[in-house]
Amino acid sequence: GAVVSQHPSRVICKSGTSVKIECRSLDFQATTMFWYRQFPKQSLMLMATSNEGSKATYEQGVEKDKFLINHASLTLSTLTVTSAHPEDSSFYICSARVTSGVSGANVLTFGAGSRLTVL
Amino acid sequence: QKEVEQDPGPLSVPEGAIVSLNCTYSNSAFQYFMWYRQYSRKGPELLMYTYSSGNKEDGRFTAQVDKSSKYISLFIRDSQPSDSATYLCTVSGGYQKVTFGTGTKLQVIP
Repeated sequence: GAVVSQHPSRVICKSGTSVKIECRSLDFQATTMFWYRQFPKQSLMLMATSNEGSKATYEQGVEKDKFLINHASLTLSTLTVTSAHPEDSSFYICSARVTSGVSGANVLTFGAGSRLTVL
Repeated sequence: QKEVEQDPGPLSVPEGAIVSLNCTYSNSAFQYFMWYRQYSRKGPELLMYTYSSGNKEDGRFTAQVDKSSKYISLFIRDSQPSDSATYLCTVSGGYQKVTFGTGTKLQVIP
């Protein structure tokens, strides 16, 4: 089945530094990837849609200069949290859309997530 | 009104019990309904997806969709401690954005 690999799984950084999170589709090409943020005991909040070869589409309220998304190839999307602050500490999860079954349903395959802690 | 409503739980059941997890949604245009399972500090994994109304069974899991009442359910038979996780229902119109419920935390007690 389709596998999405996400790294790093955990990162701790100092306030003011930038952190890059990678999301790779291992055995399929993903023209579209999604980046989510999840706070404790809450559901996934879509941050942005990453499109290969074009600019990402950000959800309302998400700072595009703060959360830089690059989707330079059909198998790799990256999320860079720039000038991170403690309030950016969260669980970040990427996913890719995979067409599944005869109904053509577009289901999402998720990475394992990256827990960011900003000190 | 939220697009998807899901009881956050937590839901605690003894091992072997039948579990019923439910969601309601507001947009009748949604056609694709999926259930994801998320273990603590992990990414969600797809359990089942259903297109339009009806039932779908996979081992101990049964997904049920009632489009007339905009109600979707996931049943787990003979629940196991390994089923302890948060279950997320999702709806979408196909190629459109996937909307997640808040998730129901399930604990199966040995």
